[in-house]
Amino acid sequence: QVQLVQSGTEVTKPGASVKVSCKASGYTFTGYYVHWVRQAPGQGLEWMGRINPTTGGTNYAQKFQGRVTMTRDTSINTAYMELTSLRSDDTVVYYCAREEDGTYNYFDYWGQGTLVTVSS
Amino acid sequence: EIVLTQSPGTLSLSPGERATLSCRASQSVSSSYLAWYQQKPGQAPRLLIFGASSRATGIPDRFSGSGSGTDFTLTISRLEPEDFAVYYCQQYGSSSWTFGQGTKVEIK
Repeated sequence: QVQLVQSGTEVTKPGASVKVSCKASGYTFTGYYVHWVRQAPGQGLEWMGRINPTTGGTNYAQKFQGRVTMTRDTSINTAYMELTSLRSDDTVVYYCAREEDGTYNYFDYWGQGTLVTVSS
Repeated sequence: EIVLTQSPGTLSLSPGERATLSCRASQSVSSSYLAWYQQKPGQAPRLLIFGASSRATGIPDRFSGSGSGTDFTLTISRLEPEDFAVYYCQQYGSSSWTFGQGTKVEIK
């Protein structure tokens, strides 16, 4: 079965960076884009960007350009999202999600989420 | 960037009642690229509807989606206890995805 398993909770300081991982299993990792979506406590969903695991090509939301880097390691079927210059409002849950590979571009499988807390 | 506005923010209904959720886009969205998700506390979102009106695998037929252009609707025909949750619409366009702010369906 398809699974996306994310790394655990992170606690970090303002100005630092965080790197969250998303390990895929149960499907061909290079066959599907991986997206990153975040959610502040009690708030809605915010799309951050996506990576093509085959080529490493990325599309980032304008809001995060310059601060986010998405990478992948195809040898271990894992995608990564690194966010730099962290602020207190980056204290959110980060999700990875798989994009459907056909016509509709929806997200059919999601990771369990990773809470990142930014606090001095 | 296309902005999606969902209404109402909160819907207070009783089990067995019909729920109608609205999602309005700031500009026209291809129906192929409009999806709905359900999210329960502490869980990741779950895909309900894609292509504006197609149910995802395993989604009960009490969930239905409709609409086109800038106006889309998610309808839950008869609310079951497990349907009380937050619902998000999502669109794709020009290599960018956006979500609505969500509608919470709560027990009255």
